[in-house]
Amino acid sequence: GENVEQHPSTLSVQEGDSAVIKCTYSDSASNYFPWYKQELGKRPQLIIDIRSNVGEKKDQRIAVTLNKTAKHFSLHITETQPEDSAVYFCAASPQGGNQFYFGTGTSLTVIP
Amino acid sequence: GAVVSQHPSRVICKSGTSVKIECRSLDFQATTMFWYRQFPKQSLMLMATSNEGSKATYEQGVEKDKFLINHASLTLSTLTVTSAHPEDSSFYICSARERSYGYTFGSGTRLTVV
Repeated sequence: GENVEQHPSTLSVQEGDSAVIKCTYSDSASNYFPWYKQELGKRPQLIIDIRSNVGEKKDQRIAVTLNKTAKHFSLHITETQPEDSAVYFCAASPQGGNQFYFGTGTSLTVIP
Repeated sequence: GAVVSQHPSRVICKSGTSVKIECRSLDFQATTMFWYRQFPKQSLMLMATSNEGSKATYEQGVEKDKFLINHASLTLSTLTVTSAHPEDSSFYICSARERSYGYTFGSGTRLTVV
């Protein structure tokens, strides 16, 4: 099955700086890659996603890049704010959006 | 938007008893729902795919006799943890896909087995 690895596990940045979280996947059939933000005790919320037919997608301060050849994708958050502090999960879907296999999560702390 | 409701949000049960968790899609029909398990400070682990009107598909290592899944209608899937033990204590969360809004997660159920 699919194996998703995520780094780093914890990340602290100063407010206003950028944060980058990286994930790799193993199944070349995976073609859908969502990113979720989970605040403590709450449900994961989709923040951005990318499909394998594009290399980059941007939504305001958030962007995701995908390198299919290397099987890795990254989340970029610019101009970080304290409310960005949460746990972020990447995921890969081998069936174009059915089962998700999640990375191990990154706990992001934005220091005011 | 697409809303997935999950109940109960918290449950404490005695070892050896069974607990049922419900996952409902409130404003859309979901032929497929997914059940995940999350240990503290760890990732979400896919347990099974729940298919309306048919048997669930379990991930490798998940005991189907222990985690019973029923998807009797297009808006409701249930997960029953049978003969629960303390090691089953975890955060269980479901998700469903709505055509326009994509995947939405339920609010999760914190199960504590004492």
